[in-house]
Amino acid sequence: QSVLPQPPSASGTPGQRVTISCSGSSSNIGSNYVYWYQQLPGTAPKLLIYRNNQRPSGVPDRFSGSKSGTSASLAISGLRSEDEGDYYCAIWTGSMWEFGGGTKLAVL
Amino acid sequence: EVQLVESGGGLVQPGGSLRLSCAASGFIFRSYDMNWVRQAPGKGLEWVSYISTSSSTKYYADSVKGRFTISRDNAENSLFLQMDSLRDEDTAVYYCAGVLEGYWGQGTLVTVSS
Repeated sequence: QSVLPQPPSASGTPGQRVTISCSGSSSNIGSNYVYWYQQLPGTAPKLLIYRNNQRPSGVPDRFSGSKSGTSASLAISGLRSEDEGDYYCAIWTGSMWEFGGGTKLAVL
Repeated sequence: EVQLVESGGGLVQPGGSLRLSCAASGFIFRSYDMNWVRQAPGKGLEWVSYISTSSSTKYYADSVKGRFTISRDNAENSLFLQMDSLRDEDTAVYYCAGVLEGYWGQGTLVTVSS
């Protein structure tokens, strides 16, 4: 079991806004930056959000990250069919990377 | 363009060894900490090992500690993972990654089976 629990699945229809949560504790999310990765079927993970809420260049502003206390969220607005895939939160603890269990997003 | 290309995966029997390599290009490899991350079939991401820019600091997941060894050659822009005493549960796609920066290779499949 991951120390960063995520809901195993999420879904939405095109155009909708969906959020994916990542919960933790004061010793992980509470004291470290949160990163979010997208993994589309058959591909390598892609960085969506770094340092809680920063987007790398090239990532659409439909994707946004937030953190409050010991939990973090990834929001996707204007949902598109190509957003279907797996999403992972991650933190660097100083001696290891912890990944969330992943959330499979379905676009209905 | 950043490129990370892994190689060295394949089929190996339990107890056997493999050495994975990762060739980096398109960025100043020696300036970045690097990692190996794996993904078992149908499962999530699992961090395996970390190495600092100068190789002075290395960390390992408990699941591989004492069996896997990470190394790098900054002159050759290469990252390595020596995997010994392989187990069935080590079967996964192994990614070379600069996780902080979002640099990932396409992965190489390691299958441990008799």
